[in-house]
Amino acid sequence: NAGVMQNPRHLVRRRGQEARLRCSPVKGHSHVYWYRQLPEEGLKFMVYLQKENIIDESGMPKERFSAEFPKEGPSILRIQQVVRGDSAAYFCASSRSVLAGQKETQYFGPGTRLLVL
Amino acid sequence: SQKIEQNSEALNIQEGKTATLTCNYTNYSPAYLQWYRQDPGRGPVFLLLIRENEKEKRKERLKVTFDTTLKQSLFHITASQPADSATYLCALHRSGSARQLTFGSGTQLTVLP
Repeated sequence: NAGVMQNPRHLVRRRGQEARLRCSPVKGHSHVYWYRQLPEEGLKFMVYLQKENIIDESGMPKERFSAEFPKEGPSILRIQQVVRGDSAAYFCASSRSVLAGQKETQYFGPGTRLLVL
Repeated sequence: SQKIEQNSEALNIQEGKTATLTCNYTNYSPAYLQWYRQDPGRGPVFLLLIRENEKEKRKERLKVTFDTTLKQSLFHITASQPADSATYLCALHRSGSARQLTFGSGTQLTVLP
């Protein structure tokens, strides 16, 4: 019974490069969330996706960041032209479908630690 | 503005004692509150969820209370062990359609042998 998988676990990029972070949710979960944890700070919500749809991206920076959750395959968080301030741990979480208005526990992956040189 | 505050950045207690962690929030009307544990270099691990109409929830040595009048949740670990040492995060679901969690900055608990 695999939990949320994220890869890579560590990613080093130089300024201006692209970073691609992958997340495979728990089997049977159709909701994916991305959070960012800056050094010495708490987890901050970035984006919430269901299969093929972005539901809420209110926490996502307007430029350079994008996310997708295709019908087949993992969810991808993409950061273009990375800057040093993007260095952080990026966590993916998933939850299963529930009735409208209900909230469901989110299960987190181990995170991807991005270091921008 | 909306705020979630956890009582202290660090808490040291002696093994066997009860650890009590506090989560206060302002300008929220959360429908659900959750507690997570996070170890260094790892993702948060879900511990307990409590709903706004529940006063208390227990799971083994863990107990959570939720007081919507005081806007506070207390998280207790009884008979604490060194293995309980970790950072504990409280997180809120707001009422309505929002599904994302809003996290406090966490309390780092150290249980001394």
